[in-house]
Amino acid sequence: GENVEQHPSTLSVQEGDSAVIKCTYSDSASNYFPWYKQELGKRPQLIIDIRSNVGEKKDQRIAVTLNKTAKHFSLHITETQPEDSAVYFCAAPNQAGTALIFGKGTTLSVSS
Amino acid sequence: SQTIHQWPATLVQPVGSPLSLECTVEGTSNPNLYWYRQAAGRGLQLLFYSVGIGQISSEVPQNLSASRPQDRQFILSSKKLLLSDSGFYLCAWTGQEYMNTEAFFGQGTRLTVV
Repeated sequence: GENVEQHPSTLSVQEGDSAVIKCTYSDSASNYFPWYKQELGKRPQLIIDIRSNVGEKKDQRIAVTLNKTAKHFSLHITETQPEDSAVYFCAAPNQAGTALIFGKGTTLSVSS
Repeated sequence: SQTIHQWPATLVQPVGSPLSLECTVEGTSNPNLYWYRQAAGRGLQLLFYSVGIGQISSEVPQNLSASRPQDRQFILSSKKLLLSDSGFYLCAWTGQEYMNTEAFFGQGTRLTVV
């Protein structure tokens, strides 16, 4: 089945710096790669996703890149702000394409 | 608009006691439903998913079971809880387009087995 690896597990940056979180997946047939943000005590929420027919997608300060050959995708946050502090999860579909398999999460801390 | 309800928010149960967590979705039909568990250092672990009434798929062997008695109701159960069942349980739903649509999570249940 699908296996999603996420790195790093924790990331600390200064306000204004960029943050990059990387994920790898095992199933070459996977075609959908979302990123979720979970603020402390709250539910995970989708922040951006990418499908296999594109290599990059941007939404203001966040972007996701996908390398299907290498089977990895990354989340990029530019000009980080304290409110970006949260746990970020990457995900990919299971082999049947019926459920999302999540990475173990990255705790991002942005200090001002 | 669609909403997802999950209860209770917190639960403290003794080892060996039964468990029943309920999740309901409003404002949509034929959703795909999911139970995830979040434990420290283990991310969001998929436990069960359902693509229709009475259809349950399990991703990992465990002490838990799931049922879908109605289209928009998903129940997580255990006959006898273990200490290792402690964690944060999240219910989620997606549309029938499977993974090309956003997954919406409930507020979660914090379960502590003592």
